[in-house]
Amino acid sequence: AQSVAQPEDQVNVAEGNPLTVKCTYSVSGNPYLFWYVQYPNRGLQFLLKYITGDNLVKGSYGFEAEFNKSQTSFHLKKPSALVSDSALYFCAVIFSGGYNKLIFGAGTRLAVHP
Amino acid sequence: NAGVTQTPKFQVLKTGQSMTLQCAQDMNHEYMSWYRQDPGMGLRLIHYSVGAGITDQGEVPNGYNVSRSTTEDFPLRLLSAAPSQTSVYFCASSYPSPAGQISSYNEQFFGPGTRLTVL
Repeated sequence: AQSVAQPEDQVNVAEGNPLTVKCTYSVSGNPYLFWYVQYPNRGLQFLLKYITGDNLVKGSYGFEAEFNKSQTSFHLKKPSALVSDSALYFCAVIFSGGYNKLIFGAGTRLAVHP
Repeated sequence: NAGVTQTPKFQVLKTGQSMTLQCAQDMNHEYMSWYRQDPGMGLRLIHYSVGAGITDQGEVPNGYNVSRSTTEDFPLRLLSAAPSQTSVYFCASSYPSPAGQISSYNEQFFGPGTRLTVL
């Protein structure tokens, strides 16, 4: 079965420190991976995606993610966290032939402390 | 562009009542979808549509109906509400991903959500 796991319910980071939000996936065929962010009482916003090509993907607001096929991971990273980055982050995957049917992880709440 | 709009923002229903959640987009997107968000479970796909007149079931379709008569609108109907349908519902749209064109897996644009409580 196709699935996405976000092993951490919450990540706490001090402002200015690097942050990592973890994501692993299990799909048959080639995965197409996405990160979305949800601010309080808002819909989801697209951050970045990996379709093919360079394993390091750069996205909005200074975020980046690295696709690691051997570890089936797609961790979200940012070199220097901001308090305004505090939000709920979702990893999602479309499996090959899935026709835009996103499978979401459970989400990770990022808390950046001043 | 207004993007993806959803109405109402909040709704309280009694068990057995019916209602329609409205979703509209002004981006001429062919693909539209409905998700429900429950704590600790991420978002789960209810139904989706790849164009006017074409709909299909997602991961959790039971208890919900959809139709797509225009490109712009994709309403979600609850025929007989149940407490298990208490959730936050999101509508999303994007360009479709034609088979064989892996570069066309486009990001989805989400509406602001409808918070539904069924008593």
